[in-house]
Parts: sequence; structure tokens; C-alpha cells
Amino acid sequence: KAGVTQTPRYLIKTRGQQVTLSCSPISGHRSVSWYQQTPGQGLQFLFEYFSETQRNKGNFPGRFSGRQFSNSRSEMNVSTLELGDSALYLCASSLTGDEPQHFGDGTRLSIL
Amino acid sequence: QKEVEQNSGPLSVPEGAIASLNCTYSDRGSQSFFWYRQYSGKSPELIMSIYSNGDKEDGRFTAQLNKASQYVSLLIRDSQPSDSATYLCAVRSGGNTGKLIFGQGTTLQVKP
Repeated sequence: KAGVTQTPRYLIKTRGQQVTLSCSPISGHRSVSWYQQTPGQGLQFLFEYFSETQRNKGNFPGRFSGRQFSNSRSEMNVSTLELGDSALYLCASSLTGDEPQHFGDGTRLSIL
Repeated sequence: QKEVEQNSGPLSVPEGAIASLNCTYSDRGSQSFFWYRQYSGKSPELIMSIYSNGDKEDGRFTAQLNKASQYVSLLIRDSQPSDSATYLCAVRSGGNTGKLIFGQGTTLQVKP
């Protein structure tokens, strides 16, 4: 069974640009959660989607947004990139959101 | 007070010893508790989940939960050098489907 797939693995952007990250969950999983991991703040919850609806949102500015498609694949968008957005962005999936989450390999975003 | 707290370590144990990793949480409504292992440069990998008070064993790993004390721990028996990693405690509060709150992680070093 394929795991959670995140693309791309690495991204380099400059300040002010925008970026879109993609996540394909484990087959059959309908809940997709996004996290940001930095050395200083650790793993922080961004948002969670289920059946194309955002059910939970963390304390991030509106520059961070996401969506989920009917096949449960999810995308995360960050607009007007700032240096502080440099981080590892992790996607995790579970069947409904109540079960243990399984993580993808992440997208490492570097802002120059 | 952080929502989920862990001693950052490093915790150093000799090969073959028992490693004890601890985690406290502040939300009494927390219902689900997870331990993840993260090797340097990799994404978190699920080790254990626990939902009710008491012990849960899986191979060399034992998770312990005490909701009255708001405390969860992970014991690793017969520690191996390959267990050297950062161990993340994650908590899901009731109603917050798909949202995990992570501790900062404890770095474990197992010395041959």
C-alpha cells in the first residue's frame, strides 16, 4: 500500500513569491492534515481537510491556505512568502481524522 | 505553559538499557496520544498510539498513560543504536479531529 506522497521534495523561492505544495494521502484516507516544522517552533498544525472541507485550522496567517479535492488529494498554498516561512512542510493522512496519522516525506521550502 | 511538554534531552543510554521518555499535557479533554520517532532529515514515523489509562505494549515499546496526572510516557526496552532519534509526543483533544499538538521532542542517544 503506497504511503503519503508529497511533491515537490524541495523548493527554493524568493520573498514575495507564492508556492503550492501537493499531498496525496494513503488510499482510502479522507483526512489530510498539514504541519510546519522548524527548529525553533517544532511541529505546528496548519489545517486539516476532510471531504473537501476545512475542519480545523491552526494559528497561522491567512497567507497560508489549502484545499482538498474529491479524490482526497490536498494542496497547500503560501502567498507573499517571507523568510520565516522557510521550513519543512509535512502532510499527514488518516481514515477520518480520529485515527493515528501517517506522514509523508515532506517538502522542504527555502526562502531566499 | 506549553500544551505538550517534553524534556528536549539529549537522553543518553547504553545499548541494551531501558530508555524512558516522558510527556505532559495541559488539556484535560485530550483523548488520543501518540508517539512518533523522527530520524534526522526524515519525517515522523508512528510508533505507538494509546487512548486509555494504563500500559500498552508493542514489541520493545511500552506506552503508559495516566490521564489524572496528564502524563504519558514511552519505554524502550533493550535499546539499540538504531533507536537513536528524536521522539515526539503528540496529543489530540476531543473534538479536534485531525489536529495533533506536538511536544518539542526528546533526543535519544543509544551508545554502543
